[in-house]
Amino acid sequence: QSALSQPPSASGSPGQSVTISCTGTRNDIGGYSYVHWYQQHPGKAPRLIIYDVTERPSGVTDRFSGSGSGNTASLTISRLQADDEADYYCSSYAGSNNMKIFGGGTKLTVL
Amino acid sequence: EVQLVQSRAEVKKPGESLKISCKGSGYSFDTYWIGWVRQMPGKGLEWMGIVNPRDSESKYSPSFRGQVTISVDKSIKTAYLHWSGLKASDTAIYYCARRAYRSGSVYFDYWGQGALVTVSS
Repeated sequence: QSALSQPPSASGSPGQSVTISCTGTRNDIGGYSYVHWYQQHPGKAPRLIIYDVTERPSGVTDRFSGSGSGNTASLTISRLQADDEADYYCSSYAGSNNMKIFGGGTKLTVL
Repeated sequence: EVQLVQSRAEVKKPGESLKISCKGSGYSFDTYWIGWVRQMPGKGLEWMGIVNPRDSESKYSPSFRGQVTISVDKSIKTAYLHWSGLKASDTAIYYCARRAYRSGSVYFDYWGQGALVTVSS
């Protein structure tokens, strides 16, 4: 099963918005509304920030939002802050054996 | 408070065996599957497999089936990841995570702190 496709890097200035895309196929993103996003700061464990395309876990700022259409999902971070600088990974259901797949990750730099 | 606490970092030689652990607390342990995720140095996340604490059923990514064994001891609320013969390419950080389930969707909602495994002669 191939990984989902994410841009390797993204950047934005404080206060701006940035959107990170995650592209799959009809066998994963396109077939299921089960796309999730994780944030990982350097040296730390990943943290769930969006689940089921658009849902935010309790305690996650509303500056994070998710959307999806067809085989692509997107994560938008509004009003960028320095602490948003991290790696972001999308994940989707791969259909068989309850397996999940991850995107390759996007390194977000806050300029 | 939900917590997953993993065992310490390990340094091993090629061919040696290793079992790392992940202890859950703060929730009903046998209600949620536990998963394992690999992160090789400087690389992304890879889904390895999951285990059901209720009946010890495990499922593996094709990439990891036969390479590792995932198990659980629900009496002590602990999941395990085991290698019978380590390779240098197993050097990575391994995370355990709790798998949440909602209306057919599954995702990892809580993560352990990670365990660095270094395999070197």
